[in-house]
Amino acid sequence: DAGITQSPRHKVTETGTPVTLRCHQTENHRYMYWYRQDPGHGLRLIHYSYGVKDTDKGEVSDGYSVSRSKTEDFLLTLESATSSQTSVYFCAISEAGGVNSPLHFGNGTRLTVT
Amino acid sequence: TQLLEQSPQFLSIQEGENLTVYCNSSSVFSSLQWYRQEPGEGPVLLVTVVTGGEVKKLKRLTFQFGDARKDSSLHITAAQPGDTGLYLCAGLPQGRQGAQKLVFGQGTRLTINP
Repeated sequence: DAGITQSPRHKVTETGTPVTLRCHQTENHRYMYWYRQDPGHGLRLIHYSYGVKDTDKGEVSDGYSVSRSKTEDFLLTLESATSSQTSVYFCAISEAGGVNSPLHFGNGTRLTVT
Repeated sequence: TQLLEQSPQFLSIQEGENLTVYCNSSSVFSSLQWYRQEPGEGPVLLVTVVTGGEVKKLKRLTFQFGDARKDSSLHITAAQPGDTGLYLCAGLPQGRQGAQKLVFGQGTRLTINP
């Protein structure tokens, strides 16, 4: 299994509070991604990173920010959590871009915003 | 936004039966991937198809990429309880370079009853 650790695994927070989710990898892969998974929507890309301090938006980036200060860590921040951000969040990594570099996923963080 | 429509969303069959899951789009994809996800875990890549008309087999699972690279199917022969899980298709939109900005289908939750 790819060395990907997501923390925390579960979190309950109140509307309006800031939340940071962490993804840590031991594979030294260049690309890192944050997805959210919701029933009926599959997985949707929030943000991704293609190197230290290099990040870009995905299809559902509103309300989220990311940072990557080290190769191994990719942080996802909800500045002011809303109930619509209740979801399961997955981090993924890939060694390179393109079709021959598959994604490896972490085991997810279940976030509940009350 | 490019969409992948996956069908059926739910499927419950008896052990030993055959089944097919479909993944359709009006858009062309450079490649199509199939993942399987267990409860509490992240998706795990099963296969990547790249060439239009390509067929790949993984034991009792057969994956096909449509000739026009707009659709794909997963066929399972003689399903077993161990095949139970959430199956996700994911496409890499044509023309995108660099990061694996996959578009995911909604998923098919498959239950194989003993």
